[in-house]
Amino acid sequence: AQSVTQPDIHITVSEGASLELRCNYSYGATPYLFWYVQSPGQGLQLLLKYFSGDTLVQGIKGFEAEFKRSQSSFNLRKPSVHWSDAAEYFCAVGAYSGGYQKVTFGTGTKLQVIP
Amino acid sequence: DAMVIQNPRYQVTQFGKPVTLSCSQTLNHNVMYWYQQKSSQAPKLLFHYYDKDFNNEADTPDNFQSRRPNTSFCFLDIRSPGLGDAAMYLCATSRVPGEQYFGPGTRLTVL
Repeated sequence: AQSVTQPDIHITVSEGASLELRCNYSYGATPYLFWYVQSPGQGLQLLLKYFSGDTLVQGIKGFEAEFKRSQSSFNLRKPSVHWSDAAEYFCAVGAYSGGYQKVTFGTGTKLQVIP
Repeated sequence: DAMVIQNPRYQVTQFGKPVTLSCSQTLNHNVMYWYQQKSSQAPKLLFHYYDKDFNNEADTPDNFQSRRPNTSFCFLDIRSPGLGDAAMYLCATSRVPGEQYFGPGTRLTVL
């Protein structure tokens, strides 16, 4: 069974600073990897995904993530954080089982942005 | 815009009183999912439909049921809500293969 670890429960960064959110996964085959963002009281919005190919993936809102197979990691980065990026971020790994994709989410990282 | 819609956004029910949450999609995706998300936790998959095939997660309580009358709609029925069922319920859809698209969620309060 697949699993995801997000070691940082809470991160605080200053507006304009760079950001890196960590994600480690466990899965026996090539994983499908995702980053989602959730604002308070809202559903999850897909930031980016990795299925195959280029290991550096560009997403929406200026985010990118890099898949590193040797480290089983899929860290999310943004060069300059905006106050509107304050939210909770979930890393997820998808695996196909019985014809559908089961997605397992990490426990999330809450991002606080200070002026 | 194509989207996933959940109604109502907020639902208040009484302990033990059945409640139904609704999800509809205009994406024409063949898979629909229901997740339960409690405060500061990751979404937990309850079940999903792959077309008309229903798939229950092993640890989903019997108190939770689902119906999918057609491609566009899916319902979550909670037969006898307990205080522990208060949560955000998220509906998602996907193609196979593909990423999941989430609705805004329904916040359930149990009094």
